[in-house]
Amino acid sequence: EPEVTQTPSHQVTQMGQEVILRCVPISNHLYFYWYRQILGQKVEFLVSFYNNEISEKSEIFDDQFSVERPDGSNFTLKIRSTKLEDSAMYFCASTLEFNTGELFFGEGSRLTVL
Amino acid sequence: DQQVKQNSPSLSVQEGRISILNCDYTNSMFDYFLWYKKYPAEGPTFLISISSIKDKNEDGRFTVFLNKSAKHLSLHIVPSQPGDSAVYFCAATGAQGAQKLVFGQGTRLTINP
Repeated sequence: EPEVTQTPSHQVTQMGQEVILRCVPISNHLYFYWYRQILGQKVEFLVSFYNNEISEKSEIFDDQFSVERPDGSNFTLKIRSTKLEDSAMYFCASTLEFNTGELFFGEGSRLTVL
Repeated sequence: DQQVKQNSPSLSVQEGRISILNCDYTNSMFDYFLWYKKYPAEGPTFLISISSIKDKNEDGRFTVFLNKSAKHLSLHIVPSQPGDSAVYFCAATGAQGAQKLVFGQGTRLTINP
């Protein structure tokens, strides 16, 4: 069964460092997302991406964040200068069409900022 | 942002009995509601959904009920099995054409043998 894969599974970084989280969505999917879950809190929407551009982003997704689909298979989330509060589990998701909200999530990348 | 709320952080049910998980929402513009299930160290997995034009959707042991006037939905699992032990998230979408899911806090369901 096709699945969304994410790397790394866990990354530890120093505050102020740049981090890139990588995702390989399901191959025929057209819509791509990043969500995050801070420990003990809700899963929160960060950004949606369609047709090679951001279609929607949340207030969390400020200038420190960027997304890219550089080669038609990978979908990356970059955090330019990490803060302590960026520590969270980051989930990538994809779907073929959004109308029902059924997303396929990866297993997540845990980011720890020290 | 409290648009979707799950007021019970945990629920414990005997194997074979019915599990009922509840969810409330405040945004009347939501038009699709979903339940996701999450095991530790895994991402959320879609379980079942319901459109706002329906009041019930059933899939095997899982049934979702929607009460639009009360802005309330519930997930019924019957009979409950040990493999159902997980965190269940209620989510909603569709408000003003948004392409994002708004999640509740989750309810940890434990099925006791």
